[in-house]
Amino acid sequence: GQSLEQPSEVTAVEGAIVQINCTYQTSGFYGLSWYQQHDGGAPTFLSYNALDGLEETGRFSSFLSRSDSYGYLLLQELQMKDSASYFCAVRRGGATNKLIFGTGTLLAVQP
Amino acid sequence: EAGVTQFPSHSVIEKGQTVTLRCDPISGHDNLYWYRRVMGKEIKFLLHFVKESKQDESGMPNNRFLAERTGGTYSTLKVQPAELEDSGVYFCASTISGANTEAFFGQGTRLTVV
Repeated sequence: GQSLEQPSEVTAVEGAIVQINCTYQTSGFYGLSWYQQHDGGAPTFLSYNALDGLEETGRFSSFLSRSDSYGYLLLQELQMKDSASYFCAVRRGGATNKLIFGTGTLLAVQP
Repeated sequence: EAGVTQFPSHSVIEKGQTVTLRCDPISGHDNLYWYRRVMGKEIKFLLHFVKESKQDESGMPNNRFLAERTGGTYSTLKVQPAELEDSGVYFCASTISGANTEAFFGQGTRLTVV
């Protein structure tokens, strides 16, 4: 089967750092993506890891360990506008190259 | 450049009726995907087009769902007849060909079957 596990909710305060974990079990793995979704709108791409290690993009970083089937999204200097749902997604690769999504983590940033 | 657009944004229909959702991908994107999110659950893959061909339709729930992409441009997803469990938000996404890492999503169509 295929499954991606994320915490359902995380709460943090402005200016803090928060880490959202993702563990996956899929048949076929090409890379791990992270998407942000505000208020049920269009998911937007944040980051992608194909290789082990840390990828940094501004306040957001993403980490992957292929041997552990684990990754995380790190958000630094949290702002109120970061309140959203965050999804990890496995890219399957191959002919379809489709994304398999987790259930999402609802991040609430408090003042 | 226009992003992925979906129409309608909302649809409320009665059980047994038919609904057709439309997706216009980003121009030049050969890959088009349909996804569905039922409240509180994962964003679930439905199917994948490469141009006008169905590459993978393993996620389609049953034969009440029919997707087309005539001419390899916009795509439609028809639900006939609709059932209560079909309610959810239907997202469309598109990507360029080749090695790519970013999928561009539309705003989704919120379908409610009553």
